Amino acid sequence: QVQLVQSGPEVKKPGASVKVSCKASGYSFTRYGISWVRQAPGQGLEWMGWIAVYNGHTDYAQKFQGRVTMTMDTSTDTVYMELRDLRSDDTAVYYCARLRPYYYHMDVWGEGTMAAVSS
Amino acid sequence: QSVLTQPPSVSAAPGQKVTISCSGSSSNIGDNYVSWYQQLPGAVPKLLIYENNDRPSGIPDRFSGSKSGTSATLDIAGLQTGDEADYYCGTWDSSLSAVVFGGGTKLTVL
Repeated sequence: QVQLVQSGPEVKKPGASVKVSCKASGYSFTRYGISWVRQAPGQGLEWMGWIAVYNGHTDYAQKFQGRVTMTMDTSTDTVYMELRDLRSDDTAVYYCARLRPYYYHMDVWGEGTMAAVSS
Repeated sequence: QSVLTQPPSVSAAPGQKVTISCSGSSSNIGDNYVSWYQQLPGAVPKLLIYENNDRPSGIPDRFSGSKSGTSATLDIAGLQTGDEADYYCGTWDSSLSAVVFGGGTKLTVL
């Protein structure tokens, strides 16, 4: 079945970086994009960006530009999201989701990765 | 502040119908497809409606979506207690080159 499996929880100190992986299976990896959405405790959904797996194109939300990088490894059907210079308000659950290019809906979601930033 | 505007909460009795609104602008809802997501308490978001009014397989037809101009709505008919969740609208914003979400609407089934 179609699924996205994410890496495990992370605890980081302020100023550090976190890199979350998202491994896809059950579909043609290069036909879709992968989007990253985060959700701080008790808050709503916040889109971070996406990577078009078929050509590597990325769009990042303005808020994260310069601090986030999304990459992919087509040999393992895995996408990575790295967020640098972490602050306490980056504490959140980070989701990857399969994104349909041009239509921009997200139809399959990973289970989420909790990343806590604390000194 | 979210780019798309949703009411923070709505409520209705079991069996009734509720409408959740999502207001945007010409660069987002006015120019692109709208999708809706349901997030049950403690769960992962789930796609409910895509391309304004289509349902993924497995989503009951009690859930329906529509779009007019720069606004969209999600209707939920025959409310059940299991529908209590947060609902988010989302779309692409052509000016921002970004997906934008509404702030979410908490549905309470009284």
